[in-house]
Amino acid sequence: DADVTQTPRNRITKTGKRIMLECSQTKGHDRMYWYRQDPGLGLRLIYYSFDVKDINKGEISDGYSVSRQAQAKFSLSLESAIPNQTALYFCATSDRDRDTGELFFGEGSRLTVL
Amino acid sequence: GQNIDQPTEMTATEGAIVQINCTYQTSGFNGLFWYQQHAGEAPTFLSYNVLDGLEEKGRFSSFLSRSKGYSYLLLKELQMKDSASYLCAGMDSNYQLIWGAGTKLIIKP
Repeated sequence: DADVTQTPRNRITKTGKRIMLECSQTKGHDRMYWYRQDPGLGLRLIYYSFDVKDINKGEISDGYSVSRQAQAKFSLSLESAIPNQTALYFCATSDRDRDTGELFFGEGSRLTVL
Repeated sequence: GQNIDQPTEMTATEGAIVQINCTYQTSGFNGLFWYQQHAGEAPTFLSYNVLDGLEEKGRFSSFLSRSKGYSYLLLKELQMKDSASYLCAGMDSNYQLIWGAGTKLIIKP
């Protein structure tokens, strides 16, 4: 089983619908992140959380919200999806005690907004 | 502003050596990362450099020059399974990663 699990893996939805992407991890890491990946662009950070009571906006947080329900769970919501939110979304975790800050990624959630 | 530049695509031959370059501009610097991403899969960590010089790890090596804002990833004895995108990322003073768009490496027999 994957250490960082994302659901759903694929989703097609319509403009205006509310969508939630969920992420759970068994690595015991405090830090969790949501990124989106678009063709020709680097990974862009949406939100991140360093512990259960800590939520921070990334560079492209508009149109998104998150919830850190537990150390192991971090969900991303699109309250009213729009077509330019069509992308591949990755959840990632890191261990604050590791000097390198290496990220461990989930398998990705491909979202299509029609 | 902050920026990471790397070539969009490179082609190399099985068994050969390839060098993928990356230049970075970040607000402060806390290290340079390389990740590998196969098509449709998650990125996986390859290397981390924070001091100048070469770090070798099997067939893969990564080099950093902080004065030049430059890094490269060197892949030796290329195998078909090395066909993937290679992502360069710089960590800024706030410990945030700034990602390049990735270099798609195509390996030909």
